[in-house]
Amino acid sequence: SQQGEEDPQALSIQEGENATMNCSYKTSINNLQWYRQNSGRGLVHLILIRSNEREKHSGRLRVTLDTSKKSSSLLITASRAADTASYFCATDRRGAQKLVFGQGTRLTINP
Amino acid sequence: GAVVSQHPSRVICKSGTSVKIECRSLDFQATTMFWYRQFPKQSLMLMATSNEGSKATYEQGVEKDKFLINHASLTLSTLTVTSAHPEDSSFYICSATDRNSGANVLTFGAGSRLTVL
Repeated sequence: SQQGEEDPQALSIQEGENATMNCSYKTSINNLQWYRQNSGRGLVHLILIRSNEREKHSGRLRVTLDTSKKSSSLLITASRAADTASYFCATDRRGAQKLVFGQGTRLTINP
Repeated sequence: GAVVSQHPSRVICKSGTSVKIECRSLDFQATTMFWYRQFPKQSLMLMATSNEGSKATYEQGVEKDKFLINHASLTLSTLTVTSAHPEDSSFYICSATDRNSGANVLTFGAGSRLTVL
């Protein structure tokens, strides 16, 4: 069953603005990952944050993790039209093979 | 980086026929592959976990006789939709983990859009 809830479900902003997406989960996790999916395509891994980490950066991406609140956020700075996609968080539990994906946020960057 | 090739990307078939979708890891060995189904504007629904050389583990509610999964080698897993019906029309995506990678990061195929007439 899907345990991740993402918020907002859809987000539309102007190019150059920052986009923030949130993810909440219900059980303890080993890692939390963010993936991106362009329409009609497979997912692409963006970033992984471990349960003992609080913040991680990769280029224009910044991910935070608050295990006490069981939540994570993905910030995309200086957004570009090419960032338009759906973004999913995914969690795994220690020893588990499978990832559990959230419902996703559909991000639209308007030029 | 790791690449997963999935094909066909699109397939249209008549009701009652079977369709096979292939998922190949091109430059790494994948002990585990996953098969998902995705409905429009929705998240991925895990169908089954496929381990090389053993039977696939199906998620609750997924018919194993309907969706046959074979993981015969470390680089190939196949999903066969048997006796397809229009309600099987969907986007099917595979993913794989690199057995030499320490983290549980998935590499996805590009997906296969199945339309059953």
